[in-house]
Amino acid sequence: DADVTQTPRNRITKTGKRIMLECSQTKGHDRMYWYRQDPGLGLRLIYYSFDVKDINKGEISDGYSVSRQAQAKFSLSLESAIPNQTALYFCATSEYSGTSAGELFFGEGSRLTVL
Amino acid sequence: EDQVTQSPEALRLQEGESSSLNCSYTVSGLRGLFWYRQDPGKGPEFLFTLYSAGEEKEKERLKATLTKKESFLHITAPKPEDSATYLCAVQRSGTYKYIFGTGTRLKVLA
Repeated sequence: DADVTQTPRNRITKTGKRIMLECSQTKGHDRMYWYRQDPGLGLRLIYYSFDVKDINKGEISDGYSVSRQAQAKFSLSLESAIPNQTALYFCATSEYSGTSAGELFFGEGSRLTVL
Repeated sequence: EDQVTQSPEALRLQEGESSSLNCSYTVSGLRGLFWYRQDPGKGPEFLFTLYSAGEEKEKERLKATLTKKESFLHITAPKPEDSATYLCAVQRSGTYKYIFGTGTRLKVLA
């Protein structure tokens, strides 16, 4: 089984619908992230959380919200989906590493299409 | 502003034809530079972390190097299974955010 699991893997929805993407991890990491990947734009940070009580906005948080239900679970919601939110979404985790840089561990991705 | 630029955008190599991918970065204080491999429809897979200029790391046919302004991913005698998109990211000192480049799409032909 994957260490970082995302559901659903693929979703097609209509404009205005509410969508939730879920992420769970078995790596035991405190830090979790949601990224969006678009062709030619690279990975962009939507939200990140360093523990259950810590939620932070990333560079493109407008139109999104998150919930950290437990150390291992971090979900991303689109309250009212719009077509330009069509993208590949990734959940990632990292370990707190003090002075060194911790690498990210990614899930397999959730492909969202908003019609 | 922190920035990561990767070149070339795409690269086609014959099997066995060695080459290098470039990652140029601008960051005020480097905490770490990361290389990832991403296969189509999959999440990025961690390859290397480099921390300071002069550092090198190797894994099979891949070797990553770091200077004060750029990093190279050298691919020696590549095989078709090395075909993927290679992503570079940096993390600035004092933060825990990562800045990603747009990647180099590598295709190795048999």
